[in-house]
Amino acid sequence: EVQLVESGGGLVQSGGSLRLSCEASGFTFRSYSMNWVRQAPGKGLEWVSYISVSGSITYYADSVKGRFIISRDDAKNSLYLQMNSLRAEDTAVYYCARDSGYHYDRFDCWGQGTLVTVSS
Amino acid sequence: QSGLTQPASVSGSPGQSITISCIGTTSDVGGYNYVSWYQHHPGKAPKLMIYEVNNRPSGVSNRFSGSKSGNTASLTISRLQAEDEANYYCTSYTRSNTPVIFGGGTKLTVL
Repeated sequence: EVQLVESGGGLVQSGGSLRLSCEASGFTFRSYSMNWVRQAPGKGLEWVSYISVSGSITYYADSVKGRFIISRDDAKNSLYLQMNSLRAEDTAVYYCARDSGYHYDRFDCWGQGTLVTVSS
Repeated sequence: QSGLTQPASVSGSPGQSITISCIGTTSDVGGYNYVSWYQHHPGKAPKLMIYEVNNRPSGVSNRFSGSKSGNTASLTISRLQAEDEANYYCTSYTRSNTPVIFGGGTKLTVL
């Protein structure tokens, strides 16, 4: 079964850091680019970051650029999001999503999400 | 960059059809055939329903269809069922410093 499981969320103070993980199973993780998408309370989905196969290309939303770092460890079938200088507006459920397309248009497998709460 | 524009809510009765619009620009929806639609039930993982404007992934009901005209993409759900009640989001590839943009989401209520 194709599966993504996020972990690492929790309560952190404003200005603090947190590292999210996403463990993949049921497919050849190294063959897929990956994304992080978040949903703030009462808001819609917001794309956060992308990492290509092999990790050579990364993109970030303007709202997190310079503060978040996406990475992957294909040997561990894992995706990561290092979140630094956290702000209250980063409070959200964070989802990892597999990208099966070539134009960022086929997020065909998602995790259940992990909640990040930033207290001010 | 602003997100794609979707109506905040739509509603329909079981058996009816509804259409959700997604308005972009020539830099995203209008410029590329890389529009996707996702269904999201609160507390669950989002689900891909349509990709590349009008393609359905395996396992998605043929009651769901997508189209595009100019800068506006649309998702049509026919023969509405109670389980279709959810939030729906469009996305598009975009020619900007970020490769993908989401719509604000539309809450579908099945009356």
